[in-house]
Amino acid sequence: DAGVTQSPTHLIKTRGQQVTLRCSPKSGHDTVSWYQQALGQGPQFIFQYYEEEERQRGNFPDRFSGHQFPNYSSELNVNALLLGDSALYLCASSLANWGSTDTQYFGPGTRLTVL
Amino acid sequence: AQKVTQAQTEISVVEKEDVTLDCVYETRDTTYYLFWYKQPPSGELVFLIRRNSFDEQNEISGRYSWNFQKSTSSFNFTITASQVVDSAVYFCALSEVSNSGYALNFGKGTSLLVTP
Repeated sequence: DAGVTQSPTHLIKTRGQQVTLRCSPKSGHDTVSWYQQALGQGPQFIFQYYEEEERQRGNFPDRFSGHQFPNYSSELNVNALLLGDSALYLCASSLANWGSTDTQYFGPGTRLTVL
Repeated sequence: AQKVTQAQTEISVVEKEDVTLDCVYETRDTTYYLFWYKQPPSGELVFLIRRNSFDEQNEISGRYSWNFQKSTSSFNFTITASQVVDSAVYFCALSEVSNSGYALNFGKGTSLLVTP
């Protein structure tokens, strides 16, 4: 049973560039959430996708956008990269459960470095 | 305002000692969920436990146990007879149903170092 997978593992970009990170959910899951984890901090919620739509969004600027595909996989796009965007980006998958919170299972993350 | 507080930034213990990681949360919801995750050096968050606000029973899983007390808004995690493999950063997280119930609000984590 495959867990959550993310690609790439590491990425180095320069300021102003754009980046796309990818995530495949755990088998049987239909919901994908993205988190940003700066060094020494807890993960911060970016947004969650369900049925190819953004269901909830955290306090992140519009430079952060996402997409979910019919096979439930997801992409996180960040435009006009800033030095402060350097972080570990974590994808989590879960099973939709309205009015409740299903457990989110995390992938290994993508380490983004912005120079 | 921070919703989850993990006051212990770093803890260092010697193998076989018991250690308790503290978690205090803040919410106005009557229905909410609490989680603990482990993050080893590899970086992947590993799910440990999920608790809903209506279930205050303590739970034990092997060397791990959790103490949930709504009266003090705490959800503490104890590792008995710690092992070197327990070295990791541990995160407590809160999910509030009224806030769409989807986002996990994490504390800043407690880094646990277990030495031989």
